[in-house]
Amino acid sequence: GAVVSQHPSRVICKSGTSVKIECRSLDFQATTMFWYRQFPKQSLMLMATSNEGSKATYEQGVEKDKFLINHASLTLSTLTVTSAHPEDSSFYICSGQGGHNEQFFGPGTRLTVL
Amino acid sequence: GQQLNQSPQSMFIQEGEDVSMNCTSSSIFNTWLWYKQDPGEGPVLLIALYKAGELTSNGRLTAQFGITRKDSFLNISASIPSDVGIYFCAGPIIQGAQKLVFGQGTRLTINP
Repeated sequence: GAVVSQHPSRVICKSGTSVKIECRSLDFQATTMFWYRQFPKQSLMLMATSNEGSKATYEQGVEKDKFLINHASLTLSTLTVTSAHPEDSSFYICSGQGGHNEQFFGPGTRLTVL
Repeated sequence: GQQLNQSPQSMFIQEGEDVSMNCTSSSIFNTWLWYKQDPGEGPVLLIALYKAGELTSNGRLTAQFGITRKDSFLNISASIPSDVGIYFCAGPIIQGAQKLVFGQGTRLTINP
C-alpha cells in the first residue's frame, strides 16, 4: 500500500516553456502532499506543502508564481514550473502524507531545461 | 529550526558486513523515519518509529528510537549489493507538524 506515482518521470524542455508534473496517490487519499527538489548529492529540499482544496504553502525563498501548485483532489497534486530556465533543472519529488505523519514518496521527475 | 545531523556521510564496506548509521538532533523528536533512496528514484520508507526506546526491525534492517528522543540509529546486517544507496533519517519539524526535516544522508557503497 501507500503508492505514489509521478508523471512524467523525465522531461526535457526549452527555456521559457512551462512544464507540468503530476503526483498521484494510488491507493490512499492524501489530504496533504509535499513537493521537494533535490540537487545532485544533496538531501531533499521542501518547496511547498499542498493541501487539498486550498492554496499551497511555500517555503521561504520558493517563488509561488514560478512554481504553481494545484491540489484539486485527494489523490492528485500538480506542480507547474512556469517559464522554466536552466537553473530550474533538478529532480522534483512529491510525497503524500500517511496517517502517522510518515510520507510516501513518488519516484521523482527529472527536469532538464535547455 | 530543527536540524538532523546524520553520520557517517558515506560508508564503503565489503559485502556481508554489518552497517550502522545514526541521526542526532538538538531538539526532541516524536517520530523518526528512515528512508532509502536509489539513484534516480524517490525515497522509500524503510522503518517508522513513534515511541522513545522503540526497536523495530524490517528484515535485515533494525532501527531504534533513542530514549532521549534526540537520536536514532539504523543497522543493516549482512549487507548485500542491493543495499547500496543513500539512507536518510527524517522527522517532523515540530511536534505534530506535517513537514519533515531530513538528515544529510548516508551514502552506502558495497564492494562485492
